[in-house]
Amino acid sequence: DAGVIQSPRHEVTEMGQEVTLRCKPISGHNSLFWYRQTMMRGLELLIYFNNNVPIDDSGMPEDRFSAKMPNASFSTLKIQPSEPRDSAVYFCASNLGGEANEKLFFGSGTQLSVL
Amino acid sequence: LAKTTQPISMDSYEGQEVNITCSHNNIATNDYITWYQQFPSQGPRFIIQGYKTKVTNEVASLFIPADRKSSTLSLPRVSLSDTAVYYCLVGDMDTGRRALTFGSGTRLQVQP
Repeated sequence: DAGVIQSPRHEVTEMGQEVTLRCKPISGHNSLFWYRQTMMRGLELLIYFNNNVPIDDSGMPEDRFSAKMPNASFSTLKIQPSEPRDSAVYFCASNLGGEANEKLFFGSGTQLSVL
Repeated sequence: LAKTTQPISMDSYEGQEVNITCSHNNIATNDYITWYQQFPSQGPRFIIQGYKTKVTNEVASLFIPADRKSSTLSLPRVSLSDTAVYYCLVGDMDTGRRALTFGSGTRLQVQP
């Protein structure tokens, strides 16, 4: 299996622009998670889906952030409009979704820089 | 939500055994303890998971005392490639939240 695939690997944009991050989970996994990592705040859970349905989005910073999972093999995280403070590494992860302690499989992340 | 406390950083030399201890005083009855490893520019990677006593795999050992209020990740004979950040996590079973919350982690630096 190719693992969790994220794109793009790097994204540089200007403040105010829309940014879309993409994720393809491991085939057969039912849960998908979006995390954000910064030096100041570490790894933060933004939102997670189970069977394509958003379960907990309490970690989404504000209305500028939105996430969708139209099918079992694809998810997007959108920031509109982007701000410099959104600069971070965004990770997508997936697992089978059966148990709360089930191990996560992470992608390589998207390094976002908002100028 | 059970919180975890780990040392911020540790230093070691190649060939030594490294033990990283994590405190989780408020761990719930059904919670498991999970450790992840993260290299620069990569996502975290699962290392080991346990509930009580001792668990061992090809990478590490995990020691959990009877009261489960702490756990120790043991890395035998570390090499330079073990330089990474190590996270201790406790499942959020008490809230029913099916997601893991990462703490600050322990930055391990292995020197020649």
